[in-house]
Amino acid sequence: NAGVTQTPKFQVLKTGQSMTLQCAQDMNHEYMSWYRQDPGMGLRLIHYSVGAGITDQGEVPNGYNVSRSTTEDFPLRLLSAAPSQTSVYFCASSYSTVNYEQYFGPGTRLTVT
Amino acid sequence: SQQGEEDPQALSIQEGENATMNCSYKTSINNLQWYRQNSGRGLVHLILIRSNEREKHSGRLRVTLDTSKKSSSLLITASRAADTASYFCATDAYSGAGSYQLTFGKGTKLSVIP
Repeated sequence: NAGVTQTPKFQVLKTGQSMTLQCAQDMNHEYMSWYRQDPGMGLRLIHYSVGAGITDQGEVPNGYNVSRSTTEDFPLRLLSAAPSQTSVYFCASSYSTVNYEQYFGPGTRLTVT
Repeated sequence: SQQGEEDPQALSIQEGENATMNCSYKTSINNLQWYRQNSGRGLVHLILIRSNEREKHSGRLRVTLDTSKKSSSLLITASRAADTASYFCATDAYSGAGSYQLTFGKGTKLSVIP
């Protein structure tokens, strides 16, 4: 199993540009989520999905969109990049939302200039 | 908002010593989890302790949970240089609409000096 994969590993955007961060898992997990990690802030939940076709907002959803058309894929879209979105983004998946460990991808380091 | 808060923020010890990290949280939880993050990498799950458990072991790791004090501790015994990493606690709490979310603390940065 590849586990959770994320692409790209690094990205530089100009303010106002849009892009999609890709996330895929091959463990048949129902639950997937996106976090951002900023220095001194820990991880903050952006969006999550409890299954194909179902998504919901986390703690910091503004400026991001998600969709879940398949169990395997959970892309994160930045609509109009801002410098405040400079961060490291992690995708994670788990079998369920309750009492199960989350598996994390390697992360995407995004810089917005 | 972040529910878990780790203490200390940073810890430096000699190889072979024990390392203890603490986590405090604010609301009722289903479980508490500890994760490790090596520099520049994703998080790796270490251990999950349910709210009805008081202590759990996994290899050189020992986790305790005190729900009355809303706190947990992670003990790494006989530390090794490879244990150098950031350690995060995460609490799994009900967030409404039948959903539970993991909320992470800011982490403890552990340095093990060879």
